[in-house]
Amino acid sequence: DAKTTQPNSMESNEEEPVHLPCNHSTISGTDYIHWYRQLPSQGPEYVIHGLTSNVNNRMASLAIAEDRKSSTLILHRATLRDAAVYYCILRDGQGGSEKLVFGKGTKLTVNP
Amino acid sequence: GAGVSQSPRYKVAKRGQDVALRCDPISGHVSLFWYQQALGQGPEFLTYFQNEAQLDKSGLPSDRFFAERPEGSVSTLKIQRTQQEDSAVYLCASSISSRTLNTEAFFGQGTRLTVV
Repeated sequence: DAKTTQPNSMESNEEEPVHLPCNHSTISGTDYIHWYRQLPSQGPEYVIHGLTSNVNNRMASLAIAEDRKSSTLILHRATLRDAAVYYCILRDGQGGSEKLVFGKGTKLTVNP
Repeated sequence: GAGVSQSPRYKVAKRGQDVALRCDPISGHVSLFWYQQALGQGPEFLTYFQNEAQLDKSGLPSDRFFAERPEGSVSTLKIQRTQQEDSAVYLCASSISSRTLNTEAFFGQGTRLTVV
């Protein structure tokens, strides 16, 4: 599976935007970019995914670089409930295993 | 139920004891996954089912770990002769499709296993 690199931790203030970066320089043309988050004492939760174009949903936006070697998860207005570990994951589009391969993720702290 | 349900939520086992962890996926979901999460780490893949077929068990750490999904719905992860290094949170996830590339996985809250 292609690797992703994320900062270990980030901090934000409540009601401010948060940009969580992810580098994936070895991404292949058919890999989807998925983001999950894990709140304390919970299982991971799907956030968003995309292939080439930027994506928006009710939780977040995903900005994908033109060369697809990096992406950014954008939380438009952070709340205290957004404090979690955020995982950037590449899904193999060429018939690879169906599993999600998690790294260590970015621990987001939201200050009131 | 509305989501993936796992039981028990907490399990304390004496070293050498066998344990069974249950997962009830979302009704109708074809794909089912088991993950192991050690403290402070991301979840690590254990095994994958498509309906009742176990298509990938490459992540099972030893032959003490066994998973089944006999009727393509409920799944059980069994650990025989538990050891202290088996202490972790065991997560179950399900997905509606057999190809999960472009779909989301829904996770349960996990079972925290402590081996003493």
